[in-house]
Amino acid sequence: GQQVMQIPQYQHVQEGEDFTTYCNSSTTLSNIQWYKQRPGGHPVFLIQLVKSGEVKKQKRLTFQFGEAKKNSSLHITATQTTDVGTYFCAAMGGNEKLTFGTGTRLTIIP
Amino acid sequence: GAVVSQHPSRVICKSGTSVKIECRSLDFQATTMFWYRQFPKKSLMLMATSNEGSKATYEQGVEKDKFLINHASLTLSTLTVTSAHPEDSSFYICSARDSLYYEQYFGPGTRLTVT
Repeated sequence: GQQVMQIPQYQHVQEGEDFTTYCNSSTTLSNIQWYKQRPGGHPVFLIQLVKSGEVKKQKRLTFQFGEAKKNSSLHITATQTTDVGTYFCAAMGGNEKLTFGTGTRLTIIP
Repeated sequence: GAVVSQHPSRVICKSGTSVKIECRSLDFQATTMFWYRQFPKKSLMLMATSNEGSKATYEQGVEKDKFLINHASLTLSTLTVTSAHPEDSSFYICSARDSLYYEQYFGPGTRLTVT
């Protein structure tokens, strides 16, 4: 089956530093979605990328989809304490099924 | 964004009993809902796809007789954990997809503890 790996598994950064998480798939993806899950909470949709090489921005967050549509990244500029949580990428497969990546847990040191 | 509710948010039950978890889409209709399971500090694992008016489709390794799914209406899906055992303790999350949009909206989750 489809596998979606994310690195790093954990990331501790000083407040104000940048953060990046990478998502890699074993197969070519039709699209990729990104979700954020706060501690104790549920995943919240952030964005969907569809086109090869696509780049989308949401304030301090920048999302990229690789040219080969096998990898993606999420970059946060100047992290804030509100950015704490686990970031998941998710690949949409047949029948609308999402395969979630392994997640990157971000903690911020104030 | 759209709202999905789950009930109960937490449940503690004794081994051998059954527990029903409800998932409702509050402001949209969802022909398809999904049930996930999440272990502590782990990713979400899709258990099954719930289809309104038809049988659910289960992922490989998920026992359909153990995890009964009913999608009786366009706004409600239920997951019943039958004859629960301590290893069934987990965080169960449902999601629903509005047919007009591509993202899935997740419920707040149900934390099940089987003693």
